[in-house]
Amino acid sequence: GEDVEQSLFLSVREGDSSVINCTYTDSSSTYLYWYKQEPGAGLQLLTYIFSNMDMKQDQRLTVLLNKKDKHLSLRIADTQTGDSAIYFCAERGDESNTGKLIFGQGTTLQVKP
Amino acid sequence: DVKVTQSSRYLVKRTGEKVFLECVQDMDHENMFWYRQDPGLGLRLIYFSYDVKMKEKGDIPEGYSVSREKKERFSLILESASTNQTSMYLCASSSPGGGNGELFFGEGSRLTVL
Repeated sequence: GEDVEQSLFLSVREGDSSVINCTYTDSSSTYLYWYKQEPGAGLQLLTYIFSNMDMKQDQRLTVLLNKKDKHLSLRIADTQTGDSAIYFCAERGDESNTGKLIFGQGTTLQVKP
Repeated sequence: DVKVTQSSRYLVKRTGEKVFLECVQDMDHENMFWYRQDPGLGLRLIYFSYDVKMKEKGDIPEGYSVSREKKERFSLILESASTNQTSMYLCASSSPGGGNGELFFGEGSRLTVL
């Protein structure tokens, strides 16, 4: 079945860049997403990329998609303490209107001052 | 402001009790979902619904049931709670077709079963 994998933990210093990686198995994925979960809260969409794109940039965020290797990454430039959270990668298969997403395990980003 | 509201943020129940988790969305979305979140396992889909009175099993439906009598409300039911159902439960909704398929999440319901 479909699977999405992420490493569980990343620690960086404030001001550094963070790179969170994700691999997925479903080659028919149409959209891939990055969600952010702050402590005690639900998930909020951070950014997404359509499967026919290689890269998407949004202010401090850069998403890179390598469809051949089924690899997605999220780069956060100039990481701040407010970026400390759990980041989930998710993919949407080509299952039309079911709308369900498959999520990875989540990567906890710790930003040290 | 779009919203998915989960009625209980924290619940403590005893083994064998029946548990209802309620979720309401105000975005007129057709799709609604219940996920379970556990550390190291991410989010796993329990059930989803694409229309009133329609439901589909997700990846881990055992021990759970759902109800969708109205478009805006999707309930998760634990008929007889067990300790291995201690978890964070997240409700989400989305609109089919068009757009980017974004799921909108509630704040979560943290359930402890003693």
